[in-house]
Amino acid sequence: AQRVTQPEKLLSVFKGAPVELKCNYSYSGSPELFWYVQYSRQRLQLLLRHISRESIKGFTADLNKGETSFHLKKPFAQEEDSAMYYCALSYNTDKLIFGTGTRLQVFP
Amino acid sequence: NAGVTQTPKFRILKIGQSMTLQCTQDMNHNYMYWYRQDPGMGLKLIYYSVGAGITDKGEVPNGYNVSRSTTEDFPLRLELAAPSQTSVYFCASSGTSGNEQFFGPGTRLTVL
Repeated sequence: AQRVTQPEKLLSVFKGAPVELKCNYSYSGSPELFWYVQYSRQRLQLLLRHISRESIKGFTADLNKGETSFHLKKPFAQEEDSAMYYCALSYNTDKLIFGTGTRLQVFP
Repeated sequence: NAGVTQTPKFRILKIGQSMTLQCTQDMNHNYMYWYRQDPGMGLKLIYYSVGAGITDKGEVPNGYNVSRSTTEDFPLRLELAAPSQTSVYFCASSGTSGNEQFFGPGTRLTVL
């Protein structure tokens, strides 16, 4: 069965430090993976998806099929990056399964 | 565009009561979804719809019903509320299969 694992509930860093939010998945098909973000008092929204291979707000994520991972990275964290981050896997073409989320706290 | 709107924002129900959570989108999206999020957990799919007149069960459908009579609306019905249904409920929509989902602000439901 498909599964998304985010092992860290909370990640705290200081401004300017590198950030890596971990995501591992289990899926027998060809995976499509996403990172969604929820800032305080805002709606859950798409941050990036692996197929577009973009950098959004300085964040990147590379799909590693060998390690079944899709970690989210940013070289220099900013205070405005503080939020809840959810990794999600698309399965059966039209549904998403979400991880439990990681809260990123960036201290000044 | 308002995007995805949900009403109510908050609701307290007594055990056994029923209610309907409303969801409307103005983006002409075919795909709509209902999720629930329990504390410390990820979002779990309750029901989804790929177009008007078509609905299907997600991961946790028990205790819920949905209908999709129009493209815009996708209400979620709780018939006999139970404490286990205390959660935050999110509605989402998507223009195409596997594409970005747009979320509503959520409804916080407490069943006592």
